[in-house]
Amino acid sequence: QQQVKQSPQSLIVQKGGIPIINCAYENTAFDYFPWYQQFPGKGPALLIAIRPDVSEKKEGRFTISFNKSAKQFSLHIMDSQPGDSATYFCAASFPTSGTYKYIFGTGTRLKVLA
Amino acid sequence: KAGVTQTPRYLIKTRGQQVTLSCSPISGHRSVSWYQQTPGQGLQFLFEYFSETQRNKGNFPGRFSGRQFSNSRSEMNVSTLELGDSALYLCASSSLGGEDTEAFFGQGTRLTVV
Repeated sequence: QQQVKQSPQSLIVQKGGIPIINCAYENTAFDYFPWYQQFPGKGPALLIAIRPDVSEKKEGRFTISFNKSAKQFSLHIMDSQPGDSATYFCAASFPTSGTYKYIFGTGTRLKVLA
Repeated sequence: KAGVTQTPRYLIKTRGQQVTLSCSPISGHRSVSWYQQTPGQGLQFLFEYFSETQRNKGNFPGRFSGRQFSNSRSEMNVSTLELGDSALYLCASSSLGGEDTEAFFGQGTRLTVV
């Protein structure tokens, strides 16, 4: 019940395309949903995050869509560029034991072709 | 301000040895979490420390342990190393102040067990 299911495992798009990465969860206690971007040899970097009281959030070319009733959220990358090629992780966190616990998806390896 | 710092960046150890990894969180952050990242398993939660106390623990054997000091710096120890412990070990820090639950990652320590 604490899992976050992420799909697809890998994705290849042409430059300018709009890759979409999906995540689903079961635990309704989750109240914070971040996306992380990771380049080879680097740690994950926070990209964008959303709370369940909004259905969409945009930051530059990155958009999170959130469907609370379906317990799903997705990342859209507009006008994708070769520099966006990285692994993307969704996550969900919930308060527990006076702090927050994060559960991560298994990651999506994105390749944007020039 | 400085980000999360993990040392060392790379380690090679022999089976049966033990290893200690270090993490210095962002100044002012009191929560430190540790994750194991492997190609097949994604980001697996090890444990989290907040104000020198372990608040949450993942499903790892007792060979994996950690601690946090009064300055919020944290160490992770793995004893009796096994080949399967080869992974990227990531540390994340959070301030956990009010609505601020964002987790920021270090670049990780790449551990290779031979």
